[in-house]
Amino acid sequence: DAGITQSPRYKITETGRQVTLMCHQTWSHSYMFWYRQDLGHGLRLIYYSAAADITDKGEVPDGYVVSRSKTENFPLTLESATRSQTSVYFCASSEWEERYGYTFGSGTRLTVV
Amino acid sequence: GQQVMQIPQYQHVQEGEDFTTYCNSSTTLSNIQWYKQRPGGHPVFLIQLVKSGEVKKQKRLTFQFGEAKKNSSLHITATQTTDVGTYFCAGATGNQFYFGTGTSLTVIP
Repeated sequence: DAGITQSPRYKITETGRQVTLMCHQTWSHSYMFWYRQDLGHGLRLIYYSAAADITDKGEVPDGYVVSRSKTENFPLTLESATRSQTSVYFCASSEWEERYGYTFGSGTRLTVV
Repeated sequence: GQQVMQIPQYQHVQEGEDFTTYCNSSTTLSNIQWYKQRPGGHPVFLIQLVKSGEVKKQKRLTFQFGEAKKNSSLHITATQTTDVGTYFCAGATGNQFYFGTGTSLTVIP
């Protein structure tokens, strides 16, 4: 799905560093989401956004910050990375109408050492 | 806490056998979606069910939504090696979806 891109695909960072994961979509979808995927936990929602300048917490928001100044971009920042934040991060977007489902990006595999 | 439980966590089948994964919620869901994630890939939307007792089919895949809208199942008939991957359900309560933990399907040729 070329319409939603995440960068970088892979990232290794050190404990305590700030790191930003980027997400860009070209469909002008209203909703955007950040999930983390860990073995045994499935996909857990970190933050979501219903529109530009509107964001809200999901299940596991601690240690993360998001912003959405433009509809197409939804960056996720780890303010001070910890090893427990080692995970695969997926960005997703959706239309207001749920029946079209979520479209996921290819993911960012983040390792915190 | 986990809103949507999914079983089994893993399933190995011989090619040609059937496969079923189950999704259960403690609360009533407004709708449920199913996704497939290939190894190393990202989740891909398969289908959404909205109505109580709804059944939908996509070729060899049959999706059901329970009468009480608290459970759902995905059944694959005569599995093929292309069916390999993890299948997730995602149930909607309020304005959020809660993903199940997924069922990882391995198909042995």
